[in-house]
Amino acid sequence: DARVTQTPRHKVTEMGQEVTMRCQPILGHNTVFWYRQTMMQGLELLAYFRNRAPLDDSGMPKDRFSAEMPDATLATLKIQPSEPRDSAVYFCASGSSSAGGAKQFFGPGTRLTVL
Amino acid sequence: SQKIEQNSEALNIQEGKTATLTCNYTNYSPAYLQWYRQDPGRGPVFLLLIRENEKEKRKERLKVTFDTTLKQSLFHITASQPADSATYLCALDRRGGGADGLTFGKGTHLIIQP
Repeated sequence: DARVTQTPRHKVTEMGQEVTMRCQPILGHNTVFWYRQTMMQGLELLAYFRNRAPLDDSGMPKDRFSAEMPDATLATLKIQPSEPRDSAVYFCASGSSSAGGAKQFFGPGTRLTVL
Repeated sequence: SQKIEQNSEALNIQEGKTATLTCNYTNYSPAYLQWYRQDPGRGPVFLLLIRENEKEKRKERLKVTFDTTLKQSLFHITASQPADSATYLCALDRRGGGADGLTFGKGTHLIIQP
C-alpha cells in the first residue's frame, strides 16, 4: 500500500531550538498539506502546496514557521525558534487534485514536545 | 467567523444499532464536505466526500447526508460494530469554492459497546 511517511515520529526539544519535520507524499500525488493537531484547537491547516508551489500558508505563524517542497518527494516544515506552545502532533497529508475536493491521505504524524 | 461544530461528548451506541453523528457549520458556503475516521495515535483516514449539489452518499454501511439549507451533515453507521469505535471528523473546504485546504471539526468520539 502506498503511504505518506513522516520523520521523525517523535521529537522532544528545548525551547529556542530549531525543529525540522519531513514528509514523503504518496508518489504521483500533486498536493501536499501540513496540519497541526492539539486537544484545544483540534486539527488545523497550516499550509499546502500543489505541484510544489505554495498555495496557502495563511494558517502558519510566519515569524517562526516555514514550509518548503525541495522536490516532489519531500516536504519540510521548520520551526525556528521553537516554543512550548508549538507542542502538538504535526500531520502531513497528500492528495491528487486538479479540481479541488479530493480525499487526503494522512501520514502517521510527528509528535513534537517543546520543553 | 466560520465555525464547525460536532458533538464533543462521546457517543455510546450498542452494537448492531445505527450510530448517527452530526456536523453543523456556520458562516460557510462549502463546495463539499468530507468525513474522516481517526484512531488513537494515528492520522485521519478518509471515509466519504459529498458535494454541495448532492443530498446523500453511501458506501457499504456508511451514509452521509448534506443539507446546505440547514448547514448540517449527518453521518450514519448502520449495523455498528465495536471495530467502528473511533473519533470521526467532518471537514469542509476552507475557503469555499472547492479549494483543497480543509477546516476540520473537533470530532465526535464514538464508542460501540458489545
